[in-house]
Amino acid sequence: DADVTQTPRNRITKTGKRIMLECSQTKGHDRMYWYRQDPGLGLRLIYYSFDVKDINKGEISDGYSVSRQAQAKFSLSLESAIPNQTALYFCATSGTGTSGRVYNEQFFGPGTRLTVL
Amino acid sequence: DQQVKQNSPSLSVQEGRISILNCDYTNSMFDYFLWYKKYPAEGPTFLISISSIKDKNEDGRFTVFLNKSAKHLSLHIVPSQPGDSAVYFCAATSSGTYKYIFGTGTRLKVLA
Repeated sequence: DADVTQTPRNRITKTGKRIMLECSQTKGHDRMYWYRQDPGLGLRLIYYSFDVKDINKGEISDGYSVSRQAQAKFSLSLESAIPNQTALYFCATSGTGTSGRVYNEQFFGPGTRLTVL
Repeated sequence: DQQVKQNSPSLSVQEGRISILNCDYTNSMFDYFLWYKKYPAEGPTFLISISSIKDKNEDGRFTVFLNKSAKHLSLHIVPSQPGDSAVYFCAATSSGTYKYIFGTGTRLKVLA
Protein backbone atom coordinates (compact mmCIF):
# COMPACT_ATOMS: atom_id res chain seq x y z
CA ASP A 1 0.00 0.00 0.00
CA ALA A 2 1.19 3.49 -0.86
CA ASP A 3 2.22 5.57 2.15
CA VAL A 4 1.51 8.91 0.46
CA THR A 5 -1.50 9.07 -1.82
CA GLN A 6 -2.75 11.85 -4.03
CA THR A 7 -6.15 12.32 -5.62
CA PRO A 8 -6.97 12.82 -8.38
CA ARG A 9 -4.05 11.48 -10.42
CA ASN A 10 -5.10 13.41 -13.49
CA ARG A 11 -7.39 16.39 -13.86
CA ILE A 12 -8.38 18.62 -16.74
CA THR A 13 -10.21 21.80 -15.86
CA LYS A 14 -11.09 25.15 -17.36
CA THR A 15 -9.81 28.62 -16.59
CA GLY A 16 -11.60 30.17 -13.64
CA LYS A 17 -12.69 26.89 -12.05
CA ARG A 18 -11.94 26.04 -8.43
CA ILE A 19 -10.06 22.84 -7.94
CA MET A 20 -8.75 20.92 -4.96
CA LEU A 21 -5.93 18.40 -4.89
CA GLU A 22 -5.82 16.07 -1.93
CA CYS A 23 -2.99 14.31 -0.17
CA SER A 24 -3.15 11.66 2.52
CA GLN A 25 -0.37 9.82 4.32
CA THR A 26 -0.12 6.84 6.61
CA LYS A 27 3.48 7.40 7.67
CA GLY A 28 2.55 9.39 10.77
CA HIS A 29 4.82 12.24 9.68
CA ASP A 30 4.17 15.70 11.05
CA ARG A 31 5.55 17.67 8.10
CA MET A 32 3.74 17.86 4.75
CA TYR A 33 4.59 19.75 1.57
CA TRP A 34 3.16 20.69 -1.81
CA TYR A 35 5.42 21.11 -4.85
CA ARG A 36 4.86 21.69 -8.51
CA GLN A 37 7.11 20.41 -11.27
CA ASP A 38 7.50 22.23 -14.55
CA PRO A 39 9.87 21.34 -17.41
CA GLY A 40 13.20 23.08 -16.91
CA LEU A 41 12.19 24.48 -13.53
CA GLY A 42 12.44 21.41 -11.34
CA LEU A 43 10.41 21.10 -8.15
CA ARG A 44 9.22 24.34 -6.60
CA LEU A 45 7.76 24.58 -3.11
CA ILE A 46 4.21 25.96 -2.91
CA TYR A 47 3.26 25.49 0.76
CA TYR A 48 4.42 23.44 3.70
CA SER A 49 2.99 22.55 7.08
CA PHE A 50 4.62 21.35 10.30
CA ASP A 51 1.35 20.49 12.01
CA VAL A 52 -2.36 21.24 11.77
CA LYS A 53 -1.93 24.78 13.04
CA ASP A 54 1.34 25.62 11.29
CA ILE A 55 1.10 26.56 7.60
CA ASN A 56 3.91 28.28 5.71
CA LYS A 57 4.23 29.80 2.26
CA GLY A 58 6.84 28.40 -0.05
CA GLU A 59 8.55 29.89 -3.10
CA ILE A 60 5.45 30.19 -5.30
CA SER A 61 2.31 30.40 -3.14
CA ASP A 62 0.44 33.07 -5.12
CA GLY A 63 -2.77 31.66 -6.60
CA TYR A 64 -2.81 28.71 -4.21
CA SER A 65 -4.20 27.99 -0.77
CA VAL A 66 -3.90 24.97 1.50
CA SER A 67 -5.72 23.27 4.32
CA ARG A 68 -4.30 20.84 6.87
CA GLN A 69 -7.46 19.07 7.94
CA ALA A 70 -5.63 16.53 10.09
CA GLN A 71 -2.09 15.39 10.60
CA ALA A 72 -2.55 12.90 7.79
CA LYS A 73 -4.30 15.17 5.27
CA PHE A 74 -3.06 18.22 3.40
CA SER A 75 -5.09 19.73 0.55
CA LEU A 76 -4.04 22.22 -2.10
CA SER A 77 -6.64 24.51 -3.68
CA LEU A 78 -6.59 26.65 -6.77
CA GLU A 79 -9.39 29.16 -6.21
CA SER A 80 -9.54 30.29 -9.82
CA ALA A 81 -7.37 28.13 -12.06
CA ILE A 82 -5.33 29.70 -14.85
CA PRO A 83 -3.44 28.01 -17.71
CA ASN A 84 0.02 28.68 -16.27
CA GLN A 85 -0.93 26.49 -13.31
CA THR A 86 -0.80 23.52 -15.65
CA ALA A 87 1.86 21.33 -14.08
CA LEU A 88 2.63 18.13 -12.21
CA TYR A 89 1.87 18.52 -8.50
CA PHE A 90 3.52 16.48 -5.78
CA CYS A 91 2.74 16.08 -2.12
CA ALA A 92 5.54 15.04 0.23
CA THR A 93 5.98 14.19 3.90
CA SER A 94 8.83 13.99 6.39
CA GLY A 95 9.39 14.07 10.11
CA THR A 96 9.07 11.61 12.94
CA GLY A 97 7.48 8.38 11.81
CA THR A 98 5.36 5.93 13.72
CA SER A 99 8.51 4.00 14.65
CA GLY A 100 9.96 7.05 16.34
CA ARG A 101 12.71 7.45 13.77
CA VAL A 102 13.23 10.98 12.47
CA TYR A 103 13.26 11.25 8.70
CA ASN A 104 15.04 14.24 7.17
CA GLU A 105 14.36 13.01 3.69
CA GLN A 106 10.97 13.46 2.09
CA PHE A 107 8.57 10.82 0.87
CA PHE A 108 6.63 11.80 -2.23
CA GLY A 109 3.24 10.84 -3.53
CA PRO A 110 2.78 9.71 -7.14
CA GLY A 111 1.75 13.15 -8.36
CA THR A 112 -1.30 14.81 -9.89
CA ARG A 113 -1.14 15.96 -13.48
CA LEU A 114 -3.26 19.10 -13.75
CA THR A 115 -4.19 20.71 -17.05
CA VAL A 116 -5.94 24.09 -17.10
CA LEU A 117 -7.48 24.93 -20.46
CA ASP B 1 16.66 33.50 -7.91
CA GLN B 2 17.68 29.86 -8.21
CA GLN B 3 19.42 28.91 -4.98
CA VAL B 4 20.10 25.35 -6.13
CA LYS B 5 21.27 24.80 -9.68
CA GLN B 6 21.84 21.75 -11.81
CA ASN B 7 23.42 23.14 -14.93
CA SER B 8 23.34 19.96 -16.99
CA PRO B 9 19.78 19.17 -18.12
CA SER B 10 20.83 15.80 -19.47
CA LEU B 11 23.67 13.28 -19.39
CA SER B 12 24.29 10.07 -21.31
CA VAL B 13 26.66 7.42 -20.02
CA GLN B 14 27.61 3.96 -21.18
CA GLU B 15 26.60 1.05 -18.97
CA GLY B 16 29.35 0.13 -16.53
CA ARG B 17 30.97 3.56 -16.61
CA ILE B 18 30.78 6.29 -13.99
CA SER B 19 27.94 8.83 -13.98
CA ILE B 20 28.70 12.18 -12.36
CA LEU B 21 25.84 14.54 -11.67
CA ASN B 22 26.59 18.03 -10.41
CA CYS B 23 24.77 20.54 -8.27
CA ASP B 24 25.67 24.06 -7.14
CA TYR B 25 24.10 26.18 -4.44
CA THR B 26 24.32 29.82 -3.49
CA ASN B 27 22.90 29.97 0.03
CA SER B 28 25.68 29.54 2.59
CA MET B 29 23.09 28.65 5.25
CA PHE B 30 22.36 25.33 3.57
CA ASP B 31 23.93 22.54 5.62
CA TYR B 32 22.13 19.39 4.55
CA PHE B 33 21.87 18.09 1.01
CA LEU B 34 19.90 15.31 -0.59
CA TRP B 35 19.64 13.54 -3.92
CA TYR B 36 16.41 12.11 -5.29
CA LYS B 37 15.71 9.92 -8.29
CA LYS B 38 12.53 10.23 -10.32
CA TYR B 39 11.11 7.79 -12.84
CA PRO B 40 8.31 8.83 -15.24
CA ALA B 41 4.81 8.75 -13.74
CA GLU B 42 6.20 8.36 -10.22
CA GLY B 43 7.10 10.70 -7.40
CA PRO B 44 10.76 11.35 -6.55
CA THR B 45 12.39 8.84 -4.22
CA PHE B 46 15.21 9.58 -1.81
CA LEU B 47 18.61 8.30 -2.80
CA ILE B 48 21.35 9.62 -0.54
CA SER B 49 22.12 12.62 1.64
CA ILE B 50 25.08 14.42 3.18
CA SER B 51 25.53 16.78 6.08
CA SER B 52 27.89 19.74 5.81
CA ILE B 53 30.07 18.24 8.55
CA LYS B 54 31.13 15.60 6.02
CA ASP B 55 32.66 15.84 2.58
CA LYS B 56 31.69 12.37 1.39
CA ASN B 57 28.92 9.87 1.94
CA GLU B 58 28.73 6.49 0.29
CA ASP B 59 25.89 4.00 -0.12
CA GLY B 60 26.60 1.09 -2.41
CA ARG B 61 27.10 2.32 -5.96
CA PHE B 62 26.18 5.88 -4.97
CA THR B 63 28.58 8.42 -3.48
CA VAL B 64 27.90 12.07 -2.80
CA PHE B 65 30.76 14.54 -2.48
CA LEU B 66 30.41 17.96 -0.92
CA ASN B 67 32.79 20.87 -1.48
CA LYS B 68 31.60 23.58 0.89
CA SER B 69 34.10 26.21 -0.20
CA ALA B 70 32.91 25.89 -3.79
CA LYS B 71 29.26 25.41 -2.77
CA HIS B 72 29.19 22.35 -4.97
CA LEU B 73 28.07 18.77 -4.59
CA SER B 74 28.19 15.85 -6.93
CA LEU B 75 26.63 12.42 -7.14
CA HIS B 76 28.75 9.58 -8.48
CA ILE B 77 27.16 6.36 -9.67
CA VAL B 78 29.59 3.50 -10.24
CA PRO B 79 29.02 1.34 -12.17
CA SER B 80 26.09 2.85 -14.00
CA GLN B 81 23.25 0.52 -14.93
CA PRO B 82 20.36 0.96 -17.39
CA GLY B 83 17.94 0.99 -14.44
CA ASP B 84 19.64 4.16 -13.23
CA SER B 85 18.12 6.04 -16.17
CA ALA B 86 15.93 8.66 -14.52
CA VAL B 87 15.79 12.32 -13.60
CA TYR B 88 17.96 13.20 -10.61
CA PHE B 89 17.22 16.15 -8.36
CA CYS B 90 19.48 17.62 -5.74
CA ALA B 91 17.92 19.45 -2.80
CA ALA B 92 19.24 21.58 0.03
CA THR B 93 18.04 22.78 3.40
CA SER B 94 19.17 24.61 6.51
CA SER B 95 18.96 22.46 9.63
CA GLY B 96 15.85 23.12 11.64
CA THR B 97 13.98 24.93 8.87
CA TYR B 98 12.71 21.73 7.21
CA LYS B 99 12.29 23.80 4.05
CA TYR B 100 13.82 22.04 1.06
CA ILE B 101 14.89 23.79 -2.12
CA PHE B 102 15.28 21.64 -5.21
CA GLY B 103 17.39 21.99 -8.30
CA THR B 104 16.02 21.78 -11.83
CA GLY B 105 17.02 18.16 -12.34
CA THR B 106 19.35 16.23 -14.63
CA ARG B 107 18.04 13.51 -16.90
CA LEU B 108 20.47 10.58 -16.88
CA LYS B 109 20.38 8.02 -19.65
CA VAL B 110 22.50 4.91 -19.23
CA LEU B 111 23.10 3.23 -22.54
CA ALA B 112 23.28 -0.56 -22.66
